[in-house]
Amino acid sequence: NAGVMQNPRHLVRRRGQEARLRCSPMKGHSHVYWYRQLPEEGLKFMVYLQKENIIDESGMPKERFSAEFPKEGPSILRIQQVVRGDSAAYFCASSPTGSHNTEAFFGQGTRLTVV
Amino acid sequence: AQSVSQHNHHVILSEAASLELGCNYSYGGTVNLFWYVQYPGQHLQLLLKYFSGDPLVKGIKGFEAEFIKSKFSFNLRKPSVQWSDTAEYFCAVILGSSNTGKLIFGQGTTLQVKP
Repeated sequence: NAGVMQNPRHLVRRRGQEARLRCSPMKGHSHVYWYRQLPEEGLKFMVYLQKENIIDESGMPKERFSAEFPKEGPSILRIQQVVRGDSAAYFCASSPTGSHNTEAFFGQGTRLTVV
Repeated sequence: AQSVSQHNHHVILSEAASLELGCNYSYGGTVNLFWYVQYPGQHLQLLLKYFSGDPLVKGIKGFEAEFIKSKFSFNLRKPSVQWSDTAEYFCAVILGSSNTGKLIFGQGTTLQVKP
């Protein structure tokens, strides 16, 4: 049973370009979370999705960031018109349920560098 | 706002030394508590978790943590560290009131074990 798969592992973008980060949850998991880790900081929650639905996006920046989890295929975190401050590690986690009594399994992360 | 604090940002120990990493949270209600570890270049892995019951929790690789409700703490311990324990350690909580399973992380503690 493969774990949570994220790709790419490393992504370099110039300012103003778009970044697309992909996350395939563990088999049987329909709940996906995205977290961002800025340098010298802990992970911060961004968004929680179930298949085809955004459940909680309270941690998403208001502009340029969007997320989706389609019926088929991976979850995508999209950052439009990237800026230097978007440089960070982006982690995806999945769980079989979205309750507070659940354990989340994390991917290896995508390290985004904006130059 | 609810938060998690890890007091030690960077810890350096010699092999066989004992380890205790502090973690405190600010929330008056029920919480579920987690310690995750991130080895260099790898994904976050769950070390241990507390949902209910015995407040002394045993995890993998000889780690344990004690939930002290009166102190809002969940400190991580290991009697004798090894060089292979060099990693970053994250304390996290899920609020009992949460219906999303959203994790709130501390800032992380980098542990360096000298051989």
